[in-house]
Amino acid sequence: DAGVIQSPRHEVTEMGQEVTLRCKPISGHNSLFWYRQTMMRGLELLIYFNNNVPIDDSGMPEDRFSAKMPNASFSTLKIQPSEPRDSAVYFCASRTDRGEQYFGPGTRLTVT
Amino acid sequence: GEDVEQSLFLSVREGDSSVINCTYTDSSSTYLYWYKQEPGAGLQLLTYIFSNMDMKQDQRLTVLLNKKDKHLSLRIADTQTGDSAIYFCAESLNTNAGKSTFGDGTTLTVKP
Repeated sequence: DAGVIQSPRHEVTEMGQEVTLRCKPISGHNSLFWYRQTMMRGLELLIYFNNNVPIDDSGMPEDRFSAKMPNASFSTLKIQPSEPRDSAVYFCASRTDRGEQYFGPGTRLTVT
Repeated sequence: GEDVEQSLFLSVREGDSSVINCTYTDSSSTYLYWYKQEPGAGLQLLTYIFSNMDMKQDQRLTVLLNKKDKHLSLRIADTQTGDSAIYFCAESLNTNAGKSTFGDGTTLTVKP
């Protein structure tokens, strides 16, 4: 298995633009998590899904952020409009039944 | 809510043992995990321990769990420069539906 796949790996965009981050979880994993990591705030859970259903989105910073999981093999995290303070590394992770999370390589987002 | 705390930094000499400590607040934690993050990469699961275990050993890694004190430790024997990374402690209450709570990470620096 290729592991969790995220795209793009790097994204540089201007303030106000829409950003879409993509994730393909490991086949057979029923849960998917989106995290954000910055030096100031560390690792933050944004939202997670079980069986494609959003369970807890209390970590989503504000209405500019949205996430979808239309099927078991694909999820997106969208920021519209983007702001400089959204600059961070965004990780997607999928999880086994034992709770072990497998992280993707991350998307480094820079908003200028 | 759940809280997981770690010291932020640890520095050791190559060949010495490293001990990274973690405390958690929720006594209902079912699984406890250690993740490793190398620069520019996502978190990688190193090992985990069930709450009904006291110790788990995996090659150079030894995990000790003290449920009474809610204390978890990761010992790395014969620490190598390649072990330099950030180590995250995490706990999970319910592996089937719940999320994991992560500590802020301990940066391990191994000096030659």
